[in-house]
Amino acid sequence: IAGITQAPTSQILAAGRRMTLRCTQDMRHNAMYWYRQDLGLGLRLIHYSNTAGTTGKGEVPDGYSVSRANTDDFPLTLASAVPSQTSVYFCASSVDPSYNEQFFGPGTRLTVL
Amino acid sequence: GQNIDQPTEMTATEGAIVQINCTYQTSGFNGLFWYQQHAGEAPTFLSYNVLDGLEEKGRFSSFLSRSKGYSYLLLKELQMKDSASYLCAASDSNYQLIWGAGTKLIIKP
Repeated sequence: IAGITQAPTSQILAAGRRMTLRCTQDMRHNAMYWYRQDLGLGLRLIHYSNTAGTTGKGEVPDGYSVSRANTDDFPLTLASAVPSQTSVYFCASSVDPSYNEQFFGPGTRLTVL
Repeated sequence: GQNIDQPTEMTATEGAIVQINCTYQTSGFNGLFWYQQHAGEAPTFLSYNVLDGLEEKGRFSSFLSRSKGYSYLLLKELQMKDSASYLCAASDSNYQLIWGAGTKLIIKP
């Protein structure tokens, strides 16, 4: 692995289903982030983690949860997907929370029907 | 509230110069970032300014005025591969990035 990987690349999901988007980085970065990107809007922060074992809520956390059991992995879970969660999801990381150059994964395109 | 404004779309000619402006309003300020995003791809880091002035990096330069809440990205000698969206983001007092919606730059031959 080099950098950040995300899985799946894309997914079509029925409303009401549970879904976990995976994110793994091999750069030993302390901080990790989940964003969603919708047409005409800027990247919006869903959840973040400043270091392994801690998480925080971003601008649009409702309907999403995260965990950070170790440094490398930061999965995002949609407990019960709704059509408004149709979006492109990007995972990102930075060396630490105060070092804002963020490195992005390739993204997951999620469609909820 | 926190806000970033940048133009939605700009068009320029190959070989020319283009300036993309960004104004920001944040609770506290820890720097201004520019990212490039090609269609269907992830954003990639271009530049970071925390002090007033111009930072030059090859064909790309970025300027910051903290007193005016203003930044611009200057792209010189435009190439077709520069066709992309350019995202402005400001770091607030909690080091969270506040993102603009992006400026889609179209390069014409």
